[in-house]
Amino acid sequence: DIQMTQSPSSLSASVGDRVTITCRASQGISNSLAWYQQKPGKAPKLLLYAASRLESGVPSRFSGSGSGTDYTLTISSLQPEDFATYYCQQYYSTPFTFGPGTKVDIK
Amino acid sequence: EVQLVESGGGLVQPGRSLRLSCAASGFTFDDYAMHWVRQAPGKGLEWVSGISWNSGSIGYADSVKGRFTISRDNAKNSLYLQMNSLRAEDTALYYCAKELTGGVFDYWGQGTLVTVSS
Repeated sequence: DIQMTQSPSSLSASVGDRVTITCRASQGISNSLAWYQQKPGKAPKLLLYAASRLESGVPSRFSGSGSGTDYTLTISSLQPEDFATYYCQQYYSTPFTFGPGTKVDIK
Repeated sequence: EVQLVESGGGLVQPGRSLRLSCAASGFTFDDYAMHWVRQAPGKGLEWVSGISWNSGSIGYADSVKGRFTISRDNAKNSLYLQMNSLRAEDTALYYCAKELTGGVFDYWGQGTLVTVSS
């Protein structure tokens, strides 16, 4: 199975900050990487897939990059509604696996 | 509007069975693969199982293989998860998710809670 790690596990940031979250796979996943946002008590929401492809309706302040085993999610200017937990997920092979999550909270 | 509504969760004793259902609407159900993803209380996300549009391809996480069975009824726009030999570690919120493409989940239900405890 492909193991996914994320860093940091949590971060505190202010509105307007640029935030970067890193995701690493235990083997190359050929950009088969998705990012989800989850708010407390809510289902996850797809933000990006194919490492950098923005899902319809997702604000352009979210972007993704990376290749091979290392990927990043960047929020260019953090907004109040962005405080949430973010998960990466590989879909290169089954079982599909998620990272442990990065919680973004208010500084 | 895409809607996924899970049902069937509840409190069950270890070793017993439970069947989850997911009612889908707002899209052409038999065009898409569907999945179950679970989240233990306060924990992260774990893919459980997936099924192709025509049930021709099915996959399971190792943690549930041999105990859980995924199925779908395209005539009823419904997805199911038969869970047997339940264990305490199966306690989680179970989400039904629609596949956008090859393992990417673009719509999720609100989840149904399964608690395995004596």
